[in-house]
Amino acid sequence: GAGVSQSPSNKVTEKGKDVELRCDPISGHTALYWYRQSLGQGLEFLIYFQGNSAPDKSGLPSDRFSAERTGGSVSTLTIQRTQQEDSAVYLCASSLDSSGGGDTQYFGPGTRLTVL
Amino acid sequence: GEDVEQSLFLSVREGDSSVINCTYTDSSSTYLYWYKQEPGAGLQLLTYIFSNMDMKQDQRLTVLLNKKDKHLSLRIADTQTGDSAIYFCAETGGFKTIFGAGTRLFVKA
Repeated sequence: GAGVSQSPSNKVTEKGKDVELRCDPISGHTALYWYRQSLGQGLEFLIYFQGNSAPDKSGLPSDRFSAERTGGSVSTLTIQRTQQEDSAVYLCASSLDSSGGGDTQYFGPGTRLTVL
Repeated sequence: GEDVEQSLFLSVREGDSSVINCTYTDSSSTYLYWYKQEPGAGLQLLTYIFSNMDMKQDQRLTVLLNKKDKHLSLRIADTQTGDSAIYFCAETGGFKTIFGAGTRLFVKA
């Protein structure tokens, strides 16, 4: 597609349930990033993929969070046993190639997760 | 560690110029960005500047970079109500881009 897409756009879940958030990057972009934006907060880096591998998982807040990327394209962020503090907008971005540094990141519209 | 700071709120009158400021700490930053986020939407790249430049102009937008002071600013000329949004400053020297908390620009008609 023309841009980064994310699904679902909104997700309401009950505390303790697992959720999966999906990101489709721009075709041909090898780097993919996940961020979290809590209400009134800036962007919090979660994880970054170069191809299918994740060299930096340092931003994942706990072991309840995991992410994978297959075929160098679609990525899924999974949150297990959701907690209310997981409520946020989860943003995905992609860039052509991060290896040289500084490639512009293009963002999806985000998934708004609400944990009741 | 790396840090990017910006003021959280700016209010201007329609037609005036807006100046949003940002400071960063990573002296090895090679690219500096300004992103715009409208309500309910994702981030949209507005403009970027290489660290070896000190100014970039793009229509109503002017970016100024003071590398010595690690200070970046975004000036929006003739601010319109449609410019109301959150503006994020970001810097990168490698694969990780560090974002500021965002400046909410409120334009009064």
